[in-house]
Amino acid sequence: QVQVVESGGGVVQPGGSLRLSCAGSGFTFSNFAMYWVRQAPGKGLEWVAIISYDGSNKYYADSVTGRFTITRDNSKNTLFLQMNSLRVEDTGVYYCARDRASGSYSLQYWGQGTLVTVSS
Amino acid sequence: QSALTQPASVSGSPGQSITISCTGTSSDVGGYNYVSWYQQHPGKAPKLMIYDVSDRPSGVSNRFSGSKSGNTASLTISGLQAEDEADYYCSSYRSSSTLYVFGTGTKVTVL
Repeated sequence: QVQVVESGGGVVQPGGSLRLSCAGSGFTFSNFAMYWVRQAPGKGLEWVAIISYDGSNKYYADSVTGRFTITRDNSKNTLFLQMNSLRVEDTGVYYCARDRASGSYSLQYWGQGTLVTVSS
Repeated sequence: QSALTQPASVSGSPGQSITISCTGTSSDVGGYNYVSWYQQHPGKAPKLMIYDVSDRPSGVSNRFSGSKSGNTASLTISGLQAEDEADYYCSSYRSSSTLYVFGTGTKVTVL
């Protein structure tokens, strides 16, 4: 069955860096766009970044542009989010999600999330 | 980069129907049929309930239905059940450099 599993969360000081990973299985990873979505404690969902199936197109929320970078390694079925210059407001659960179908802009498969805490 | 607007809370009694609105602009909700709805229970990952405005993924109850009029999309839950108590989020494709947006979220309470 389709699965996506995030890892790499943890506690980091403001200004620090963290790299999240998301391993996909049960589907042809290279056929689907992938998303990062986050949720601050007690708050709503916020879309963070999207990468096309082949990694050629990337889009970012204004709040992370210039600080976060989304990449993928289709040979290893893995999605990444490099987070630099982290701020307290970046704290939250980060979810990896897969498009329902190619180009559908609907997220059918979600991971369990990984918690990122930015604190001094 | 503003979120789509949803009511903060909606409530109903078991068996009743409720509707959650999601208001955007002609650059997102009104301009494209890429509206989705997600259900999220506390401590859990979101679950896709509706995609492409009104389509249901396999396994989602037909008590959930979606529609759109102009710049406002709606999710209707009929025959409300205790298990429907959760947070609900809409989302849409947006024709800008940011490409995607979520709604502010609605807490559904079953009285």
